[in-house]
Amino acid sequence: GNSVTQMEGPVTLSEEAFLTINCTYTATGYPSLFWYVQYPGEGLQLLLKATKADDKGSNKGFEATYRKETTSFHLEKGSVQVSDSAVYFCALRISSGSARQLTFGSGTQLTVLP
Amino acid sequence: EAQVTQNPRYLITVTGKKLTVTCSQNMNHEYMSWYRQDPGLGLRQIYYSMNVEVTDKGDVPEGYKVSRKEKRNFPLILESPSPNQTSLYFCASYGTHLHEQYFGPGTRLTVT
Repeated sequence: GNSVTQMEGPVTLSEEAFLTINCTYTATGYPSLFWYVQYPGEGLQLLLKATKADDKGSNKGFEATYRKETTSFHLEKGSVQVSDSAVYFCALRISSGSARQLTFGSGTQLTVLP
Repeated sequence: EAQVTQNPRYLITVTGKKLTVTCSQNMNHEYMSWYRQDPGLGLRQIYYSMNVEVTDKGDVPEGYKVSRKEKRNFPLILESPSPNQTSLYFCASYGTHLHEQYFGPGTRLTVT
């Protein structure tokens, strides 16, 4: 089956620190990969995506590269801000048949301190 | 503005009392889904729908029902809620040619 494994949180960083949140996956088929962000009290928002190997998704200073050889999609940001405090979810989707289901990781809570 | 709306946002109920959580989207999307979010488990899909009158089970469908009589609406029904259905529920929708799912703001349900 399909699954996503994220590094366990919570992660606490100081402002301007470098962020890495690890994500690895197993999939039957060729997945598209996503990072979603959930700010306190809100629903999930798409942060970035990559649909094929070696694609790099980027948005708001965050980046992630689709690595087929290591089945990974690690999220990085060079300098985090307090406003980046949120829960981050890695996800994949196999567009097989008509299911188009998203499979999520368990989420990583990030807290950035001033 | 493209959006997915859910109601109610918060609900406290008792075991066995039937309830419905509504979900509506204004983007004419074919696909809609319901997820529950629990600590340490991420989001798990309950049911999904590919179009009007077409629904199928996700990973955790037990204790839930859905219907899709109109393209824009996808209500989640708990016929006899139990405490293990206490959770945060999200509705989502997306179109055939888009990679992005749009999520509603969530419904926090507590069953006592």
